[in-house]
Amino acid sequence: TQLLEQSPQFLSIQEGENLTVYCNSSSVFSSLQWYRQEPGEGPVLLVTVVTGGEVKKLKRLTFQFGDARKDSSLHITAAQPGDTGLYLCAGAFGNEKLTFGTGTRLTIIP
Amino acid sequence: KAGVTQTPRYLIKTRGQQVTLSCSPISGHRSVSWYQQTPGQGLQFLFEYFSETQRNKGNFPGRFSGRQFSNSRSEMNVSTLELGDSALYLCASSYRLAGGTDTQYFGPGTRLTVL
Repeated sequence: TQLLEQSPQFLSIQEGENLTVYCNSSSVFSSLQWYRQEPGEGPVLLVTVVTGGEVKKLKRLTFQFGDARKDSSLHITAAQPGDTGLYLCAGAFGNEKLTFGTGTRLTIIP
Repeated sequence: KAGVTQTPRYLIKTRGQQVTLSCSPISGHRSVSWYQQTPGQGLQFLFEYFSETQRNKGNFPGRFSGRQFSNSRSEMNVSTLELGDSALYLCASSYRLAGGTDTQYFGPGTRLTVL
């Protein structure tokens, strides 16, 4: 069973600070996705990365896929209260089934 | 385009009962996946249906079953409910199989409470 470990599990920071959350696996992903989930809602896709070393930017969010395609990071610059939520990574391991990570619950304090 | 809809949004059942949850995917999407989300286990994959055929199945007991209709709408059924089945059940749809690079769109979920 492939496992995706996310760290940290919880993160609470002040508005305006920067932060990075991580997603790691011992297996190689064929593709990896990042989602954000807000209370009472389903996860919403933020980005999909497929190439080792790939970097994608979405406004203040920067996503990086590891060269070996076993890990990924999400960096948020100048965090805002609207960034609060549960961040989930999800990897596909070639069998067409998505496996979700354990999640990072982020709270931005105004 | 209308998003993924799930009904009902909230459900309370007692142990031993059975429950059926419904999911209507985005128009044109042929894949529907079901997930169980709990605070302790996170988001776990139940099964995926594509063009009425189950394509993948997670590690859940046989009490959990599903089906997909010709219009891509899907239902999942849980029989002989246990307290541990209390969870948020999420449905997601995509045009192609979920493990590819297609965007998977989630519904708001059905919150099931088993007493």
